Amino acid sequence: EAGVTQFPSHSVIEKGQTVTLRCDPISGHDNLYWYRRVMGKEIKFLLHFVKESKQDESGMPNNRFLAERTGGTYSTLKVQPAELEDSGVYFCASSQGLAGGLETQYFGPGTRLLVL
Amino acid sequence: GIQVEQSPPDLILQEGANSTLRCNFSDSVNNLQWFHQNPWGQLINLFYIPSGTKQNGRLSATTVATERYSLLYISSSQTTDSGVYFCAYAGNNRKLIWGLGTSLGVNP
Repeated sequence: EAGVTQFPSHSVIEKGQTVTLRCDPISGHDNLYWYRRVMGKEIKFLLHFVKESKQDESGMPNNRFLAERTGGTYSTLKVQPAELEDSGVYFCASSQGLAGGLETQYFGPGTRLLVL
Repeated sequence: GIQVEQSPPDLILQEGANSTLRCNFSDSVNNLQWFHQNPWGQLINLFYIPSGTKQNGRLSATTVATERYSLLYISSSQTTDSGVYFCAYAGNNRKLIWGLGTSLGVNP
């Protein structure tokens, strides 16, 4: 069974450009999460999808970030326009959605984003 | 919200040594995971351990939920164990709250 996959693995862009990150969850996982780790800081939650619906987007830093999950399969996270402080590693995770959240979230390998 | 504290923040070991990493949380949690971020930045699931003890090879973890802590044991450390170890918990809203991590370096 394939794990969570993310594309691209690395992206280097200039300030003001747009970048779109993609995440493919484990097949059958309704729950999909985005997190990010800015250099030297803790990993922070961005948002949570249940199927195609945004369940919690309280961690999205501002309106330059847009996440979608059309059809409830893969998800994209677009940053437009990118700023220097957006640099970091963006992780996607998925889970089955067991009651009470008593379950493992499985993580993808991450996308390293560098904004110059 | 619940705070997650990890200790030590940094650790250097000689290959073959054992170590214990600690994760304290400020309230009861019913979902706790340990992760290893390797030098390439990838996050690897180590344990899902809301309570009790689990072992996987040279690694084991123990969570004492009533006392609000979890421990990760690394025995006979190897250079490939280097990286950052995170603990994280999820509340009923499922989003993981993370500690700042323990940065581990294992020297040959």
